Amino acid sequence: AQKVTQAQTEISVVEKEDVTLDCVYETRDTTYYLFWYKQPPSGELVFLIRRNSFDEQNEISGRYSWNFQKSTSSFNFTITASQVVDSAVYFCALSELFMNRDDKIIFGKGTRLHILP
Amino acid sequence: DSGVTQTPKHLITATGQRVTLRCSPRSGDLSVYWYQQSLDQGLQFLIQYYNGEERAKGNILERFSAQQFPDLHSELNLSSLELGDSALYFCASSVGWGDYNEQFFGPGTRLTVL
Repeated sequence: AQKVTQAQTEISVVEKEDVTLDCVYETRDTTYYLFWYKQPPSGELVFLIRRNSFDEQNEISGRYSWNFQKSTSSFNFTITASQVVDSAVYFCALSELFMNRDDKIIFGKGTRLHILP
Repeated sequence: DSGVTQTPKHLITATGQRVTLRCSPRSGDLSVYWYQQSLDQGLQFLIQYYNGEERAKGNILERFSAQQFPDLHSELNLSSLELGDSALYFCASSVGWGDYNEQFFGPGTRLTVL
């Protein structure tokens, strides 16, 4: 069965520090997608990234970077030089590749990140 | 502003009632996804439609149903409401049909069942 674990319930860091959000997943499939979403205090959801299981290259987008390691079933998210606007709840998610109509995406419970000024 | 609209923003109703949540996707997007976020269950995928057809189904209860109309807007119908159905319901849209490619989320509808 699919499972996504975000062990860090809540993290606080001081602005400009780097912070890494952990995500560990379980799946029996060899083909799957991993995602990160952001939910700021205003409540909306923002899609950040999708990574497929065949692509283990790390991804960098500005101050955001993602480290995908199949060997440890992890897909960690690092924010470099954090800013107060990064304060949000971050969700990691897993989806086995769409093969039939019962495929679904599974979310972790989220990590609440506080960036302190 | 993501370009996805959801109405109403808030809905308060009683147990046993039926409600309809509406979503209009971004212009040009053919896929619509519905999600539920509650304190108990966290964030859950409910269902996806692509160009009017059901594409994928997640943890959607039998009391819930959805459809996507020819103009691509979608409605999520929740019936025989229970207290546990109180949640934030998000709609998202994307261009393609498969594999949760980049999605844009609406602001959500907060449903309170009393």
